[in-house]
Amino acid sequence: SQQGEEDPQALSIQEGENATMNCSYKTSINNLQWYRQNSGRGLVHLILIRSNEREKHSGRLRVTLDTSKKSSSLLITASRAADTASYFCATGTASKLTFGTGTRLQVTL
Amino acid sequence: DTEVTQTPKHLVMGMTNKKSLKCEQHMGHRAMYWYKQKAKKPPELMFVYSYEKLSINESVPSRFSPECPNSSLLNLHLHALQPEDSALYLCASSQVDLGLMNTEAFFGQGTRLTVV
Repeated sequence: SQQGEEDPQALSIQEGENATMNCSYKTSINNLQWYRQNSGRGLVHLILIRSNEREKHSGRLRVTLDTSKKSSSLLITASRAADTASYFCATGTASKLTFGTGTRLQVTL
Repeated sequence: DTEVTQTPKHLVMGMTNKKSLKCEQHMGHRAMYWYKQKAKKPPELMFVYSYEKLSINESVPSRFSPECPNSSLLNLHLHALQPEDSALYLCASSQVDLGLMNTEAFFGQGTRLTVV
């Protein structure tokens, strides 16, 4: 069964707005990763946050992790049309990643 | 070179056909993976190879047969597939996770398979 549940399932915003997506997971973790997938093609790694970290930034991305609530959030600031994609959280090791259900983000001009 | 290359990009095959999916990486990664992804669903792990040896088979039907000829190549041989096997098949690679659990996976663009 899937480790992570993400919400919302779909999100539509205008260019320039911020997008926030959330991931909840069930068991204890050592790290949590976020991936992006454009149009049903390959996944691209965005950011990894370790279990002893609470927040991490990478460019316009900000990830938070709350291990007490078993949840993480991904914030994309000043969104662009090119950010339109599906976003997945993933837990486990690289040798056995378990992906969340994903959030489909649509950024319109 | 941080690329994982998959061929073909698209494949249509009949239920009696035999075909193969190919995956190649030159990042020196010694772990390689096959994932299956149905429409609007997350990827699901099928197989893991570590140092060219099969380490994980997630109870995949035998009509899917993986092969790792060397540290850069990964194949998935397909035989007698069913229409429900139609999906996006993704290959990925990473450093072998030596318990550090902080490694990311690099994915190819996938092969979109249609079984007719």
